[in-house]
Amino acid sequence: NAGVTQTPKFQVLKTGQSMTLQCAQDMNHNSMYWYRQDPGMGLRLIYYSASEGTTDKGEVPNGYNVSRLNKREFSLRLESAAPSQTSVYFCASSEIRVWGQPQHFGDGTRLSIL
Amino acid sequence: SQQGEEDPQALSIQEGENATMNCSYKTSINNLQWYRQNSGRGLVHLILIRSNEREKHSGRLRVTLDTSKKSSSLLITASRAADTASYFCATVSDEGGSQGNLIFGKGTKLSVKP
Repeated sequence: NAGVTQTPKFQVLKTGQSMTLQCAQDMNHNSMYWYRQDPGMGLRLIYYSASEGTTDKGEVPNGYNVSRLNKREFSLRLESAAPSQTSVYFCASSEIRVWGQPQHFGDGTRLSIL
Repeated sequence: SQQGEEDPQALSIQEGENATMNCSYKTSINNLQWYRQNSGRGLVHLILIRSNEREKHSGRLRVTLDTSKKSSSLLITASRAADTASYFCATVSDEGGSQGNLIFGKGTKLSVKP
């Protein structure tokens, strides 16, 4: 029972490089989310997908793109990485996006941009 | 924009003692949730309390909600070393385009010493 799986777990990039973070859930959830976690900042929502085929911006979408590939998979892409995007990225899912359904989180991708 | 703010930022106690963490928020809410994050892992949902509830229990966890003061508290009784983690409150935004999204606080870091 894997839940939410994120790959890779760690990554180091150079400024300007591109990268896609992968996320897959096996709970048949409709909604998926991408957050970033920075020291002292809590979690901030980057993008979300309320259902297959839809995506919407969250609080901090600049510099990112997302793709909801199918019901299971939701990827996050950095087109031209910047040092300010050094962070821990978490993917989460919930049954539906209605008034704060509890979310299930992956274990994160630790991304460093030099 | 952070909705919930936890207090204290850090808490250190001995095994067997009770741990109390507080969360304050700014706007009206539909529900409030508490999550735990162990070091290097993703967040795990602990408990959800709805705006029309005042108290809720789950095992050694007790959550209270005071909507008039816009505050919640999480009590962990008879703490164990395994309770060492960061604890986050999350509220559901009812504002504009972010309606329905979870807004996380910055967390309380709990250390339980054996």
